[in-house]
Amino acid sequence: KNQVEQSPQSLIILEGKNCTLQCNYTVSPFSNLRWYKQDTGRGPVSLTIMTFSENTKSNGRYTATLDADTKQSSLHITASQLSDSASYICVVSAQAGTALIFGKGTTLSVSS
Amino acid sequence: GAVVSQHPSWVICKSGTSVKIECRSLDFQATTMFWYRQFPKQSLMLMATSNEGSKATYEQGVEKDKFLINHASLTLSTLTVTSAHPEDSSFYICSAPFNLNNEKLFFGSGTQLSVL
Repeated sequence: KNQVEQSPQSLIILEGKNCTLQCNYTVSPFSNLRWYKQDTGRGPVSLTIMTFSENTKSNGRYTATLDADTKQSSLHITASQLSDSASYICVVSAQAGTALIFGKGTTLSVSS
Repeated sequence: GAVVSQHPSWVICKSGTSVKIECRSLDFQATTMFWYRQFPKQSLMLMATSNEGSKATYEQGVEKDKFLINHASLTLSTLTVTSAHPEDSSFYICSAPFNLNNEKLFFGSGTQLSVL
């Protein structure tokens, strides 16, 4: 069964600190993996998208890694800001053009 | 730039009434759009795939007579929740792919539906 598991479920950090969110998947065949940021009551916004051959991709303070062999991905947030408080969703595409499989997300709270 | 506009942002309605949610692709055409439902602290669940000029494809367990989808143009898809009941209260989100393999997928801002 195609699944995407994220951890931790929630996380609280102080402003300025770094954090890493995890995503494990069992989706096969694998096409690409995406990380989205979803603010409360809003639609998801794309942060990164990686294909099988990509190991890392950055978008500002966000850096995603992918290990296609172990089927794991991480999202590292550097020097967190209050505006980083949101839900971060890992999404895996089983095959190009098909429906996406969503993780439940990690809720990040950045406090001052 | 490419944006997906969703309207309304929130709606409160009485049980038994119907509610229409619009999803528009701005500055690009989308022959396909996706409709999702999201409960609090849960992941997005794909409800249906909206296809321009043809019938929508519904996911298993989603009642097509309950959730009517119309994709009348290349930039507009609508989801109508018919005879809404309190259990239909949820956050509904649409998305539209910017390219053929869905790599660039833009989401609407979502619609919070509360049925009294």
